This record gives sequence, C-alpha cells and structure tokens, in this order.
Amino acid sequence: NAGVTQTPKFRVLKTGQSMTLLCAQDMNHEYMYWYRQDPGMGLRLIHYSVGEGTTAKGEVPDGYNVSRLKKQNFLLGLESAAPSQTSVYFCASQPKEQETQYFGPGTRLLVL
Amino acid sequence: GQNIDQPTEMTATEGAIVQINCTYQTSGFNGLFWYQQHAGEAPTFLSYNVLDGLEEKGRFSSFLSRSKGYSYLLLKELQMKDSASYLCAVMDSNYQLIWGAGTKLIIKP
Repeated sequence: NAGVTQTPKFRVLKTGQSMTLLCAQDMNHEYMYWYRQDPGMGLRLIHYSVGEGTTAKGEVPDGYNVSRLKKQNFLLGLESAAPSQTSVYFCASQPKEQETQYFGPGTRLLVL
Repeated sequence: GQNIDQPTEMTATEGAIVQINCTYQTSGFNGLFWYQQHAGEAPTFLSYNVLDGLEEKGRFSSFLSRSKGYSYLLLKELQMKDSASYLCAVMDSNYQLIWGAGTKLIIKP
C-alpha cells in the first residue's frame, strides 16, 4: 500500500496562474481532506469530501475548488494563484467518521 | 469560537520525561488526537482519547479531562528522534478536526 500520495511535491507559480494538486489514496477510505499549514498556525481545513461525488467547504475555502470524481482521488484547484496561497498543502484520508486521519507527504507551493 | 492552545516550544534532555499540555474550547467533543510531525514531513498519528483518563502506548502516554478541557502528552525516555512538533487536535460536534498550532520539542543531548 502506498497510503496517501500527493503530486507535485513542490511548485512555483506566478500570480494569476492556475494549477491542480492531486491526492490519491489506496486504502478505500470514504473521507478525504485538504489542509494548508502556515508557520505559527494550526492546520486549516480548505475543503473536504465524505464520499465519491461529494465535496464541502471547510474553514478557508476562498480561492480554491475541489473535485472527487473517483473515490480514491481528491483534486484541489487554484484558479488564479495569489501570494497569500503560498503554503504547504496536506491531503488526508479517513476510513469513516470519528476515525484517524492519514496524511500525504505534502505539496510545497510558492506563489510569486 | 473554537480554540486549541498548546505551548509554542519546549526543550528537554535526552533520557528525560516531558509533558506537553493542550487546552481546548470547542463546539462539541468527539475525541482528542495527538500527532507527531517531523520538520518537512507529514503529521503521523500518535494517540486518541475520547474518555477521561490515561492511554499508554510504549514511551508515549496521553491523558484527557473533558470537564477541564485539558489533555497532555507524556513522552518518557526521550530520544533524539523525538525532536519534532506535536499537534493537538479536537474533533468537534461536526466531526471536523480543530488543530492547535503545535508544540516544537527540542531534545538536547
């Protein structure tokens, strides 16, 4: 089992560019999450999904969109990147409600 | 609002014991998690408490008091590899995790 994987590992964007971050899990988990982690702050939830075809907004959804067309994949899109979106992005999956979340290795994004 | 508080940084000596505290105020409670995160890596699960009391797992123990909104992570026989950030997270009434900013633990020889 690869667990949770994320691509790319690192990316530099110019302001206004778009990109998609891919998260994949091979554990057949129902729930998937996208977080961002910034220095001095806790992980903040961007969007999440409780099953294939479903998505919901988290704490900081503005400027991001997501899709979960297949159970194993959860995509995070930035339509028009801004410097404030410079961060480390973590994807996590969770078997069911009230269970442990398992994290991917992270994507480091720099927006210039 | 929802709030998780934990110390920003702690220093301890190899072989010693350290206690990392976490206090919380959340809308509802469905359990408290501790994660370990080494620099540049992903958080990894350490422990889960949903009932009051102490959960022991090898060198690591976690305690919960729901009435006080308080938890601690106890690390015994510290090793250099324990140098990491320790994240406290509470699952609220919507089953969402609310995260503390993390405690950076520095281990000195």
